[in-house]
Amino acid sequence: EDQVTQSPEALRLQEGESSSLNCSYTVSGLRGLFWYRQDPGKGPEFLFTLYSAGEEKEKERLKATLTKKESFLHITAPKPEDSATYLCAVKRYSSASKIIFGSGTRLSIRP
Amino acid sequence: NAGVTQTPKFQVLKTGQSMTLQCAQDMNHNSMYWYRQDPGMGLRLIYYSASEGTTDKGEVPNGYNVSRLNKREFSLRLESAAPSQTSVYFCASSSSDYNEQFFGPGTRLTVL
Repeated sequence: EDQVTQSPEALRLQEGESSSLNCSYTVSGLRGLFWYRQDPGKGPEFLFTLYSAGEEKEKERLKATLTKKESFLHITAPKPEDSATYLCAVKRYSSASKIIFGSGTRLSIRP
Repeated sequence: NAGVTQTPKFQVLKTGQSMTLQCAQDMNHNSMYWYRQDPGMGLRLIYYSASEGTTDKGEVPNGYNVSRLNKREFSLRLESAAPSQTSVYFCASSSSDYNEQFFGPGTRLTVL
């Protein structure tokens, strides 16, 4: 069965303290892995798409990487405005529109 | 570009009442989706429309109906609301079925 597991559920960091969020997946025939950011009371905001193992993408303080079993979202020198829930989702070739979302990691950055 | 817009933002219904959630996108996307988000359950797909003129069931379609009115608009209807349908509803769109999805701001629905 296709599955996406994100860890940790919650992470509290000091401003400037770098860390990584994990997204482990089991899916046959991965078409793409997506990262989203969601602020309280708002819809998910698209960040990255990764298609194949070894691929990396960066945006400001965020860098996403992909292996055959997991993806990491590295956050470097975070600021309080990076506080949000980060969602990972996967899509396989034969899933006919179904994207499987993880339950997210709630990230809190203290000033 | 407004992206994906949803109306209303908040709604309170009594059990048995009906309502329609509206969604529109201005990105000329072909595919549109309706999700619900519940604490501890993550985002779950209710219905989707891969292209104008087609609709299909997702993971949790019971109690809902949809209409793809045109390429821009995709509505979700609750015919007889139940307390189990209390949730936050998100509409999303994508250029094709395999690409990243872009989400609207959500509708917070409470059924009493």
